[in-house]
Amino acid sequence: QVQLKESGPGLVQPSQTLSLTCTVSGFSLTSNSVHWVRQPPGKGLEWVGAIWSGGSTDYNSALKSRLSISRDTSKSQVFLKMNSLQTEDTAIYFCTRFRDYWGQGVMVTVSS
Amino acid sequence: NIVMTQSPKSMSISVGDRVTMNCKASQNVYNNIAWYQQKPGQSPKLLIYYASNRYNGVPDRFTGSGYGTDFTLTINSVQAEDAAFYYCQRIYNSPFTFGSGTKLEIK
Repeated sequence: QVQLKESGPGLVQPSQTLSLTCTVSGFSLTSNSVHWVRQPPGKGLEWVGAIWSGGSTDYNSALKSRLSISRDTSKSQVFLKMNSLQTEDTAIYFCTRFRDYWGQGVMVTVSS
Repeated sequence: NIVMTQSPKSMSISVGDRVTMNCKASQNVYNNIAWYQQKPGQSPKLLIYYASNRYNGVPDRFTGSGYGTDFTLTINSVQAEDAAFYYCQRIYNSPFTFGSGTKLEIK
């Protein structure tokens, strides 16, 4: 069955780089897109970016200068890297097979 | 960028009532929106896609409608388990912007 699972550090220091991994099963990355969505504590959902089945990417323009999304199809993994982290980047980060299946999310706190 | 505006921000409804919530796009998005339900501590769950298509397993009391810039999610005969946040999202062309959400409380 379709599953997505996010992993990564729970705590990142300000100005450092966040690296998250989304490991998927039950579907192929070469046939489906995977998106990242984040949710600051107590706030709404924010679309972060996406990697499409062909490998191209789209990013939230507000984050584009700090953001990179890539994948390893052989490992069924999608990666998010965001640099120059600030406290405002504290959020739950979800990966989703565009719309229908979502991971449980990983809480990332930016703090010294 | 297209802005998705949801209203109202919150509502308190009794079990059995009908509820309507709105999502307005700042530009024509045709039928390219989805609706999600999110309960505390959970991931969002897809309810409706392409404005009016109910996703697998979603109870038929959930109905989506609209086209262009104005969209509506209706819940007929609200149940206690429908207490949640509801979000709309543009689902064609980047950026895939979400609305700010509507909180549904059950009295």
